[in-house]
Amino acid sequence: DAGVIQSPRHEVTEMGQEVTLRCKPISGHDYLFWYRQTMMRGLELLIYFNNNVPIDDSGMPEDRFSAKMPNASFSTLKIQPSEPRDSAVYFCASKDRGPGKLLFGSGTQLSVL
Amino acid sequence: AQRVTQPEKLLSVFKGAPVELKCNYSYSGSPELFWYVQYSRQRLQLLLRHISRESIKGFTADLNKGETSFHLKKPFAQEEDSAMYYCALDTGRRALTFGSGTRLQVQP
Repeated sequence: DAGVIQSPRHEVTEMGQEVTLRCKPISGHDYLFWYRQTMMRGLELLIYFNNNVPIDDSGMPEDRFSAKMPNASFSTLKIQPSEPRDSAVYFCASKDRGPGKLLFGSGTQLSVL
Repeated sequence: AQRVTQPEKLLSVFKGAPVELKCNYSYSGSPELFWYVQYSRQRLQLLLRHISRESIKGFTADLNKGETSFHLKKPFAQEEDSAMYYCALDTGRRALTFGSGTRLQVQP
């Protein structure tokens, strides 16, 4: 297994544009998480899914952010419209149903100019 | 609400010196605590978890419920320990709450 796969690795966009980040979790994992990493706030949980159903989206900053998981092997995080303060590294992680560890993707470095 | 606090953003030590990365948590129930590490250009990965009571790469961490702490320690730092370290809390809802992270710099 190649692990959790995120794309793109880097995204540079202009303020106001739509940004879509993608994640393929590890096959068989029931849980998928989206985290945002910044220097000031560290790792913040944005949203997580269990069996493709969103469980907790209280960490989503505002309505400009949305996430979907149409099937067990794919999830997207969309920002529309993007703003400079959204610049961060966005991580996707997955885990199985047991009390196991989270396995992280390589992250997407987002820069909004 | 649960919270994890890592008071130091940067910790700089010399090779061979002892290291202690501080982590405090707030949670009224029985927590499960973890340390994750992110080496340069690598993925964030699990370093150790308190229920395993193991030593990984010379690091240990003891859960102190009285002080609500889970400090990460290593008696002799090595240059390859330089990385970003995150303390994390699992309250049973499956999603981990992470601290803001501490960057460890081990100088030669």
